[in-house]
Amino acid sequence: GESVGLHLPTLSVQEGDNSIINCAYSNSASDYFIWYKQESGKGPQFIIDIRSNMDKRQGQRVTVLLNKTVKHLSLQIAATQPGDSAVYFCAEVFSGGGADGLTFGKGTHLIIQP
Amino acid sequence: GAVVSQHPSRVICKSGTSVKIECRSLDFQATTMFWYRQFPKKSLMLMATSNEGSKATYEQGVEKDKFLINHASLTLSTLTVTSAHPEDSSFYICSARDFRGSYNEQFFGPGTRLTVL
Repeated sequence: GESVGLHLPTLSVQEGDNSIINCAYSNSASDYFIWYKQESGKGPQFIIDIRSNMDKRQGQRVTVLLNKTVKHLSLQIAATQPGDSAVYFCAEVFSGGGADGLTFGKGTHLIIQP
Repeated sequence: GAVVSQHPSRVICKSGTSVKIECRSLDFQATTMFWYRQFPKKSLMLMATSNEGSKATYEQGVEKDKFLINHASLTLSTLTVTSAHPEDSSFYICSARDFRGSYNEQFFGPGTRLTVL
């Protein structure tokens, strides 16, 4: 299940099941969104991205859904594997803001149970 | 392709000393590099944007005299934490953008763990 508290929210799923990680973004004018995977002690790794003029994009075993009405982004991982265990962050970019560094969401710790 | 390295990967220093962290794009030219900071079990926070040949742009609340950034070439940016104190202990991560690449696509380095005693 999913729990939210003082630490990173944690989502625990059984190996082979599908997982859905959610993210609420802050800027309704953001025009580009990215999901990153971060393993302990490492830098973020690009998973998939989506532009604001799209509502769905699929990759290999991953799908990103964008709902601009409620400023919500989700990452679906199909048939989870032990190697999927990591912290997942969404990030947004507003290209009209001048500086285009990424604004990261809070992150979700995904744990794959054997 | 699109590999970004950081050096050192870990550094421990005494309070009051300065520490330099290097960020290199190994197989592409990065006109823009970004520096992020990450506390344990927290998200990444953008500190500054570094453009080659010009002054860095710092985010609100980040002291430019404390965190000196130099982007002297298209493959190297450095972050110097001056007069480091224990509260500066953190995971520092850089990213680089290939100007030929996808819009806003950033490649991240492996991070540098700074511990100030």
